[in-house]
Amino acid sequence: SQQGEEDPQALSIQEGENATMNCSYKTSINNLQWYRQNSGRGLVHLILIRSNEREKHSGRLRVTLDTSKKSSSLLITASRAADTASYFCATAGGTSYGKLTFGQGTILTVHP
Amino acid sequence: DGGITQSPKYLFRKEGQNVTLSCEQNLNHDAMYWYRQDPGQGLRLIYYSQIVNDFQKGDIAEGYSVSREKKESFPLTVTSAQKNPTAFYLCASCPTVGPQHFGDGTRLSIL
Repeated sequence: SQQGEEDPQALSIQEGENATMNCSYKTSINNLQWYRQNSGRGLVHLILIRSNEREKHSGRLRVTLDTSKKSSSLLITASRAADTASYFCATAGGTSYGKLTFGQGTILTVHP
Repeated sequence: DGGITQSPKYLFRKEGQNVTLSCEQNLNHDAMYWYRQDPGQGLRLIYYSQIVNDFQKGDIAEGYSVSREKKESFPLTVTSAQKNPTAFYLCASCPTVGPQHFGDGTRLSIL
């Protein structure tokens, strides 16, 4: 069963703007991960945040986690046309990096 | 280069036919996974294996079968019992501590 719900389903912005994607989940988690998928390709891991962390940064990415609300957000700052892709959140329950449950994804389009 | 190789990239299945999708990894990862992705949807777990000669059903295992005879290989068979097999199939592997690494997928269609 799908754990995550992502919002918005699609997001269209101009280069240089920030993009924010949200993910909600239903059950308790060990960690939450964000992945990126370019059209017709496999997924690429972006960042992982553990259940005891509230915020994490990696380059232009900022992830927040609110376990009381069972939600996370991914912020991409100063977006580029190359950021155009689908972005998925995935939650892990038992083991830290094992079986994941994916959300439906957000399609991000960045216009040059 | 280390990575995951899925083949073929495109596959067509005839009515009543079983087809096998290949997934090979040279990352020395113990765990491997098969996902199905339908258009505009997220990934749904079909089967996974955390060690050689052992595997577990995921959320949508009906109509699929797998084997894990070698650490490097985790083939997926889509059987004739799977009535709606048209989808994008993704294989992933994962170390004991670390994120999942994905192949570039196989797109399966019905003839």
